[in-house]
Amino acid sequence: GAGVSQTPSNKVTEKGKYVELRCDPISGHTALYWYRQSLGQGPEFLIYFQGTGAADDSGLPNDRFFAVRPEGSVSTLKIQRTERGDSAVYLCASSQVAGSLYEQYFGPGTRLTVT
Amino acid sequence: GQQLNQSPQSMFIQEGEDVSMNCTSSSIFNTWLWYKQEPGEGPVLLIALYKAGELTSNGRLTAQFGITRKDSFLNISASIPSDVGIYFCAGPLKTSYDKVIFGPGTSLSVIP
Repeated sequence: GAGVSQTPSNKVTEKGKYVELRCDPISGHTALYWYRQSLGQGPEFLIYFQGTGAADDSGLPNDRFFAVRPEGSVSTLKIQRTERGDSAVYLCASSQVAGSLYEQYFGPGTRLTVT
Repeated sequence: GQQLNQSPQSMFIQEGEDVSMNCTSSSIFNTWLWYKQEPGEGPVLLIALYKAGELTSNGRLTAQFGITRKDSFLNISASIPSDVGIYFCAGPLKTSYDKVIFGPGTSLSVIP
């Protein structure tokens, strides 16, 4: 079956622009997570959804970052007024339900470069 | 806050050698997860540990949950070129069991 997919795979944008990153989770998975991975670091938690609602968005670095999951499936991470420090790989993961006892399946990530 | 440290930061080994890496924390973890990430891919779960002292194997990989609950070890026996990648330990936060934090990773290179 299909795994987690993310689009685009690469995104280059200018400082100050708005970007949207999309995640398609595994069909039937109710929990969806967003992480940011900087070069040489492990993934850093941003936000997770259980169904349509953001259950925990405490990892979002500031109010320029926002994520939605309106129908409980596809999710979009939105970054306003991008800064060079936002450059990183943004990873999405899904699991059957929320909770660390359930395996998270990761997508390949979107590499965001802000010039 | 809770943080994870991994050592070594990187390893260069000959094919066929055994590998050992570890993960430590100043805080107690109730679950330890080991992931592998290859270039251009997301991390993949290798082994999950849920009980202090637990020793779990997955093929040539063996991981242990330290009895202090502040560390975990991953061993790879008879390494092969496809073992190349970055290995991350991870665990859930005490304050929110649904949130997982990751260590900085150990980069493994295998020389054929």
